[in-house]
Amino acid sequence: EADIYQTPRYLVIGTGKKITLECSQTMGHDKMYWYQQDPGMELHLIHYSYGVNSTEKGDLSSESTVSRIRTEHFPLTLESARPSHTSQYLCASSDGGAGIRQYFGPGTRLTVT
Amino acid sequence: KQEVTQIPAALSVPEGENLVLNCSFTDSAIYNLQWFRQDPGKGLTSLLLIQSSQREQTSGRLNASLDKSSGRSTLYIAASQPGDSATYLCAVPDTGKLIFGQGTTLQVKP
Repeated sequence: EADIYQTPRYLVIGTGKKITLECSQTMGHDKMYWYQQDPGMELHLIHYSYGVNSTEKGDLSSESTVSRIRTEHFPLTLESARPSHTSQYLCASSDGGAGIRQYFGPGTRLTVT
Repeated sequence: KQEVTQIPAALSVPEGENLVLNCSFTDSAIYNLQWFRQDPGKGLTSLLLIQSSQREQTSGRLNASLDKSSGRSTLYIAASQPGDSATYLCAVPDTGKLIFGQGTTLQVKP
């Protein structure tokens, strides 16, 4: 079974604060992804990485940034949180290859007041 | 560009019914298709992955079929239970990413 972790699970924070959402996986996967999902709405890919020091923006424009310094770690940062950032953020990793099988973390529900 | 569509968007059935969820994709040149389950406010759980060379995959009461030529997949749930209530998403890989459908939200009433 997949081992991918996200912390915190829930976060309520005030406008203007800097936040980092953590994502880590113990499977040695090269590919990692961040999705944003509003309640009851579709998943939107906001960032992805194919390996260490490789990051790309996804299909949905996001004010967040990511880094990939270690294979197992893919944190997402918001420099100045705003109420419009309120959403659920899901991290995933995959075992690569042409036929991707993605494994998802439990998600972080972010509320910016 | 690959597009994935799921019908219906929502479905409500009484407990015990057999049901079918549909997924269609525009580009039939896929490597595989994956079905996920998502409970409210939670992450996605992978249910089944069908390789392009396969016609179907089964896991317990779930059976997923794949018809690449017609660009369709179905998820069959037998003898539905209230615990099956969730959103079900299908996804196909495309240029290194997964393309998701909008999901079907299932409610199974006791």
